[in-house]
Amino acid sequence: QQQVKQSPQSLIVQKGGISIINCAYENTAFDYFPWYQQFPGKGPALLIAIRPDVSEKKEGRFTISFNKSAKQFSLHIMDSQPGDSATYFCAVDFGNEKLTFGTGTRLTIIP
Amino acid sequence: EADIYQTPRYLVIGTGKKITLECSQTMGHDKMYWYQQDPGMELHLIHYSYGVNSTEKGDLSSESTVSRIRTEHFPLTLESARPSHTSQYLCASSDRTGYADTQYFGPGTRLTVL
Repeated sequence: QQQVKQSPQSLIVQKGGISIINCAYENTAFDYFPWYQQFPGKGPALLIAIRPDVSEKKEGRFTISFNKSAKQFSLHIMDSQPGDSATYFCAVDFGNEKLTFGTGTRLTIIP
Repeated sequence: EADIYQTPRYLVIGTGKKITLECSQTMGHDKMYWYQQDPGMELHLIHYSYGVNSTEKGDLSSESTVSRIRTEHFPLTLESARPSHTSQYLCASSDRTGYADTQYFGPGTRLTVL
């Protein structure tokens, strides 16, 4: 079974700091790597995604870094804010028309 | 915000009851999914559908069943609820935007079986 390993499980960051969440996958991926953000009481929503023809994608304070040879990708949140407190999921498309999600990271930004 | 709806949002029910969790989307998406989400966050795919009259079991074994008679509607049924079914159930649909699918999630149904 295809797996996506996500770390850390929980993360506490001071306001203004950098939050970093990492994911690694096994086997061959279809080359699409999205991150989803979930607030309490809501379903996950697409935050940012990357294709591996680039090694980095930035949207505002959110950046994905991708290392194809290592089969790893990470989410960086710059200048983290209390409103960023949420659960984050990475996901991998293994080409079977489904997404395989990571185990999730609960991020808390403290003042 | 995505137009995908789930009802009820919360359900508390006794053991042995039959329940149906409703999921509807107005985006015309062919693909729809049901996930079970642990209290500890992890998302587990339990059912998916690629279109009308198409249903498949997901990665996590589930005693629930689904049907897809209409594109916009993807209900999940438990014939006899048990406390082990207590969980959050999330419905999603997807479309192919350019390169790959984007999944849109509903708000979820939190099920408690006593």
